This record gives sequence, structure tokens and C-alpha cells, in this order.
Amino acid sequence: NAGVTQTPKFQVLKTGQSMTLQCAQDMNHNSMYWYRQDPGMGLRLIYYSASEGTTDKGEVPNGYNVSRLNKREFSLRLESAAPSQTSVYFCASSVASSYNEQFFGPGTRLTVL
Amino acid sequence: QKEVEQNSGPLSVPEGAIASLNCTYSDRGSQSFFWYRQYSGKSPELIMFIYSNGDKEDGRFTAQLNKASQYVSLLIRDSQPSDSATYLCAVGTTGGSYIPTFGRGTSLIVHP
Repeated sequence: NAGVTQTPKFQVLKTGQSMTLQCAQDMNHNSMYWYRQDPGMGLRLIYYSASEGTTDKGEVPNGYNVSRLNKREFSLRLESAAPSQTSVYFCASSVASSYNEQFFGPGTRLTVL
Repeated sequence: QKEVEQNSGPLSVPEGAIASLNCTYSDRGSQSFFWYRQYSGKSPELIMFIYSNGDKEDGRFTAQLNKASQYVSLLIRDSQPSDSATYLCAVGTTGGSYIPTFGRGTSLIVHP
């Protein structure tokens, strides 16, 4: 069991470039999430998918789009990267039971120049 | 706006002591409470969860919940240098597509 995997681990972009962050889980979880973590700001939710076929905005969705490709995979796309999107991005998943413990991937460190 | 508050620290304790980490939350409808540990440069790792008032023990860790006071804490007994990390409190409500709200974390340093 790999748990939650993310690619790439590191990425450097120039302002205006686009990219997609990939996330996959092999725990048969229904819900998946994308967070960003900035120093002193804690984890902030970007988008989530409660179940396959649904996606919803979180606290900081501007500048991002998501796709729930199937039950296993949930991608995050930056259409036109900005320096303010420099951050560490974490994908997480949960069973989506009433109690909803989340399991996190290793993260992607993104720098936008 | 659901808020989860933690003292950012750092909290410094000597090896072998009890470390006490605290978290308060604003949403009285909250039903589930989680503690995550995050080592520098790594992802958050779930270490404890609690749903009912009172204490829950797991090895050296004890989670304490007081819903009336909207307060949850994590005690680490016999603290070790390997416990040095940031501890994140997360609070959620049951049902539907609820999403846990995270605190900003408390940095714990256990010195030999």
C-alpha cells in the first residue's frame, strides 16, 4: 500500500506558466483534498472532492482548478502561475465516514519565479 | 467562520517531561478532533483522534476533550527528542462533506 502519492515532489515555474499536480490514493477512500501550507499560515484548503464526480471550493480556490479523474486520482491545475502560489501543496484523502481522519501525501514544493 | 486556535510556541520541554499542547475551537457543532504531527519538511501524520468528552490514551499520548469549554489538548508523556515537531490540531463536524479546520500548529522542542 503506497497510501497517498503526489507528483512531482519539486517544481519551479515562471510567472504565467501552467502545470498540473497529480495525486493518487490506493486506500479506496471516497474523499480527496488539496491544501497549501505557507509559513505561519497552517494548512488552507484549496479544493476538495467529497466523492467521485463532485468537487467543491475550499478556503483559497482562486487561481486553481481541480479534476477528480476517478476514485483514485485528484489533480490540481494552476493555469497561470503567480509568485503568490509559491507554497507546499499537500493532497489528502479520507474514507468520508462520519469521523473523517485524513491521510496526507508527501507534498509538492512549488516555487514560482 | 470556524476557527481553531493554537499557541504557535515554541514549547520547550526537557527530555522525560510531559508536554501539554492546547487547542481551542469556535464551532460548538464540532464532533471530531484530530492531532497531527508534522516533522520539518514532511507531511502531517495523524497521531490521535477523539470524539467524546474525556480522555483517550494511546501509548505515551493522551488526548483530552472538553466540549463545554471547546477545548482539546494533547499530552505527551516521557517526551523524547524525536517528539520535536509541529503539532496540528484539526476540528470537524460529522456528516455530509464536512472538512476539518486546521489550527496553525504548535512547535514542540524536546531538549536532552
